[in-house]
This record gives sequence, structure tokens and C-alpha cells, in this order.
Amino acid sequence: DGGITQSPKYLFRKEGQNVTLSCEQNLNHDAMYWYRQDPGQGLRLIYYSQIVNDFQKGDIAEGYSVSREKKESFPLTVTSAQKNPTAFYLCASSLGSGSKTQYFGPGTRLTVL
Amino acid sequence: QQQVKQSPQSLIVQKGGISIINCAYENTAFDYFPWYQQFPGKGPALLIAIRPDVSEKKEGRFTISFNKSAKQFSLHIMDSQPGDSATYFCAASKDNFNKFYFGSGTKLNVKP
Repeated sequence: DGGITQSPKYLFRKEGQNVTLSCEQNLNHDAMYWYRQDPGQGLRLIYYSQIVNDFQKGDIAEGYSVSREKKESFPLTVTSAQKNPTAFYLCASSLGSGSKTQYFGPGTRLTVL
Repeated sequence: QQQVKQSPQSLIVQKGGISIINCAYENTAFDYFPWYQQFPGKGPALLIAIRPDVSEKKEGRFTISFNKSAKQFSLHIMDSQPGDSATYFCAASKDNFNKFYFGSGTKLNVKP
């Protein structure tokens, strides 16, 4: 069963705590992405990675960090520096450069109390 | 600033009617324009996409109309069904790079 998995589906954290969101894909895709979705604002790119051990900041990277140690995994850490972390987080992947289709995971809804 | 502007924010259509969602962009370097469909609590899924060398693309009940000179593109859903009720996002990207700019989304409600 190929696809992108994100866990957990719902996550609650206290203010000031770091939290890591998981994203795994078994599609053998080179590129992976993290988006944040807020009501009425569409999807905004946080970080992306075109290849293992390499990643770049997106439009709203402040307060977030990522790693890409394995092709299939691209975890996102929401740090205490992120001022408004409550949101729906979406991970996506694509074959890589030249391939335009992005496949999305089911998302993680993070609520910071 | 917002690279892709989408309207309307919400849309109510009767079953069997035509749903029309519009997007406008500024950057003439964009060369790929997809539409995504998202159901509540799920990730977006690619619905249909177009490149600027054609003015229209049709897949089943879904059609993209593209106006390069006006820098606008739209999604038409013919014979809209209650199962089409979802949020629709337009997007744009440029070059071989996979960075997408998304519109703010349109929540479509098709009434039976």
C-alpha cells in the first residue's frame, strides 16, 4: 500500500514545548515538503527537501526545523520559537525535479494549549 | 504578497449545476497550474492541471479554462454532485522547481 503517512492525526502540546511531526513515504520520491494550512489562507510552504541530507527554507520557516536523513522520512519540529503553532500541517512528496505532481499525506492537526 | 488570488471564498450550487472557481496570478514565469480537491480532515489531492500552452483542459466533469493574456484560470465543474462538496485550491509553479504557490481555497457546497 503506497503513500504518505503522517502521525499522529491529532497532537496537543503545552505552550513552550517543542514537538516533532512525523512524515513517511514509501513512493520512492526524492522531494518532500511541509506545508501549514490555516483557515482562509491556503497552504504555505514551511520547508522542502529535493534530496537526502539537503533541505531549504520555504516562505514561513521561522520557528520550524527539519531533517532529511533518509529518503523516506522528513520530520518537522515545531519549536517554542514559533509564535502561533496551532494549525493543520501537511506533508507532501513528489518524484523530484521536473515532476510537477505533489502527493499529500492526511495531515496532522496540532493544537498548542 | 499573495502570488495566486482565488475567488470566491465559498460557493453554494444546486445539484446538476455548474460550479465555477476563479484564480488570478501575477508572475508570468509560472508554467504549471494545478487544481487540488480537499475533503475535511484529509490532505489535498490533485484534480486536474494545465500548462500555459493550451487554453482549456477537460477531464470528465472537470474543466480548466486558461487565459494567458489576462493571467487568469478557472475550474468548471459540470453537473455538480453532492460528492463534489469539498474545498478546492488552485496553485501555480514555475520552471522545473516544485515550489507551489496556493490560492486561499474555495469551499464548495453542492445541495441535493
